[in-house]
Amino acid sequence: QVQVVQSGAEVKKPGASVKVSCKASGYTFTDYYIHWVRQAPGQGPEWMAWLNPNSGVTNFAQKFQGRVTLTSDTSISTAFLDLSRLRSDDTAVYYCARVMHFGSGKFDSWGQGTLVTVSS
Amino acid sequence: DIVMTQTPLSLSVTPGQPASISCKSTQSLLQTDGKTYLYWYLQKPGQSPQLLIYEISNRFSGVPDRFSGSGSGTDFTLKISRVEAEDVGVYYCMQSIKVPYSFGQGTKLEI
Repeated sequence: QVQVVQSGAEVKKPGASVKVSCKASGYTFTDYYIHWVRQAPGQGPEWMAWLNPNSGVTNFAQKFQGRVTLTSDTSISTAFLDLSRLRSDDTAVYYCARVMHFGSGKFDSWGQGTLVTVSS
Repeated sequence: DIVMTQTPLSLSVTPGQPASISCKSTQSLLQTDGKTYLYWYLQKPGQSPQLLIYEISNRFSGVPDRFSGSGSGTDFTLKISRVEAEDVGVYYCMQSIKVPYSFGQGTKLEI
């Protein structure tokens, strides 16, 4: 069955970078886009960006431009989110989710989330 | 950016009774392909969000038929015909017609 498993929790200092992984199984990895959504404590979800693992094309919310890098390693069916120049307000649970079609918001399978805590 | 506004923000419902959540967007979510890019998600306590409804009214696989979605353009509604205890959580509408995709503030359903 389809599974999306993310890497474990991270604690980082302000100004550092974090890399979160998202490993997919049970389907053809390159057939689906991977989206990243974060959720700050007590807040609603916030969409960040998407990656097409087949082409490497990405698209970002403007607020994350220049700080977020999305990559994937198709040989291990894994997508990666790199967030740099961390600030305290980047403290959140980061989710990856898959979508089949460009422009669709039909996130039919989500990772379990990765808590990133930014604290001095 | 498109802003999604949900009402109410919280809902307390007796099991077996209906519930309704409204979601309004600041721009039409109807795309030129004829599809409307409006989705409903439920986030149960301690869990990742899960897809309930896609493109206004299509129930995702495994979603009980007590859940239904309706609306058009900028106004949408999620209805639960008879609330059950397992329906507790926070409901979010979301649009994907324009980047950045955006979620409503959420509606917390309690029993």
